[in-house]
Amino acid sequence: KAGVTQTPRYLIKTRGQQVTLSCSPISGHRSVSWYQQTPGQGLQFLFEYFSETQRNKGNFPGRFSGRQFSNSRSEMNVSTLELGDSALYLCASSLARGTYEQYFGPGTRLTVT
Amino acid sequence: QKEVEQNSGPLSVPEGAIASLNCTYSDRVSQSFFWYRQYSGKSPELIMSIYSNGDKEDGRFTAQLNKASQYVSLLIRDSQPSDSATYLCAVDTGNQFYFGTGTSLTVIP
Repeated sequence: KAGVTQTPRYLIKTRGQQVTLSCSPISGHRSVSWYQQTPGQGLQFLFEYFSETQRNKGNFPGRFSGRQFSNSRSEMNVSTLELGDSALYLCASSLARGTYEQYFGPGTRLTVT
Repeated sequence: QKEVEQNSGPLSVPEGAIASLNCTYSDRVSQSFFWYRQYSGKSPELIMSIYSNGDKEDGRFTAQLNKASQYVSLLIRDSQPSDSATYLCAVDTGNQFYFGTGTSLTVIP
């Protein structure tokens, strides 16, 4: 069974631009969570989607948004990029919500210049 | 207080020794507990999950859970240089996953 895939793997953007990242979960998994990982802050929870609905949101500004499609694929968008948004963005999928193991994709490395 | 706390290390052990990684959590209603391994430049990889008090063994790995003390640990027996990585503890409260900041482990040949 194929794992979680994320595209693109690497991105370089300039301040003020926007970016869209994509995540395809493991087949049959319906929950997708997004995390931001930086050396100083570790893994920070962005949001979780299940059945096309955002179920939970972390403490990030409104510039960070996401959505989930009927096939469980998910996208996240960051508008008006700031230097501090440079990070590894990780997507994790699980069968459903609550007490299910999460499996991570390879991540998208975003660099904002 | 953070939801999940880990000693950041670094922890160094000689090859063949037992590495012990510890984690505490704050939410008593937490149901599920996980250990992830993350190599430098890679994404986290799930290595163990544990849901009830006691020990759970999988190969060289043993996870231990004590809900009364809100404590979960990971033991790695016969440590190998390939075990050198950052180990993340994760706790699922049923509403959200919380990750610790990770413990860096180095296994010295």
